[in-house]
Amino acid sequence: SQQGEEDPQALSIQEGENATMNCSYKTSINNLQWYRQNSGRGLVHLILIRSNEREKHSGRLRVTLDTSKKSSSLLITASRAADTASYFCATDANFGNEKLTFGTGTRLTIIP
Amino acid sequence: DVKVTQSSRYLVKRTGEKVFLECVQDMDHENMFWYRQDPGLGLRLIYFSYDVKMKEKGDIPEGYSVSREKKERFSLILESASTNQTSMYLCASSLWIGTGVDGYTFGSGTRLTVV
Repeated sequence: SQQGEEDPQALSIQEGENATMNCSYKTSINNLQWYRQNSGRGLVHLILIRSNEREKHSGRLRVTLDTSKKSSSLLITASRAADTASYFCATDANFGNEKLTFGTGTRLTIIP
Repeated sequence: DVKVTQSSRYLVKRTGEKVFLECVQDMDHENMFWYRQDPGLGLRLIYFSYDVKMKEKGDIPEGYSVSREKKERFSLILESASTNQTSMYLCASSLWIGTGVDGYTFGSGTRLTVV
């Protein structure tokens, strides 16, 4: 079953603009993570935010987490052509196990 | 540079064949995972392992088995390949941190086609 659902499914923006992707989930979590996948490749871990955190930054990435709404957003500022990829959120339900459940992803296209 | 290595990028197998997908990590991670990725369905967990010789079923284990004889190696086995197992297979590993799940390191994926 899919725990996280990303929105929108696809997003196209001009280079230099900011890109925002959203993720909603269903159960209580320990943490939420965002991953990037370039076409046909494996996923790369971008950032992890814990359930007791509300915002986290890493370079051009800004992640927010609202546990009351069970939602998160990923903001990429000053987008570049190299940011073209699919982005996935993933959550671990706080049942004590170690597995992540991934959403279906947002396909981001940066137009040069 | 730490990594997860999957033995094949592309694989073509015939229906009914026994297929082995190998995954090796060099990070001394306790946890290892096998996912399959299909368009519109995202990543779905097949099996995972917390330790040597341990295995747990994920969301879609039917038609698959796994083996973890050494900490660094986690193998996915398709006992009798079928066309509906054509997919991208992704292996991942993570460290046990005791308070939720740490970031996964993924391999580059194996695109399996069953004909």
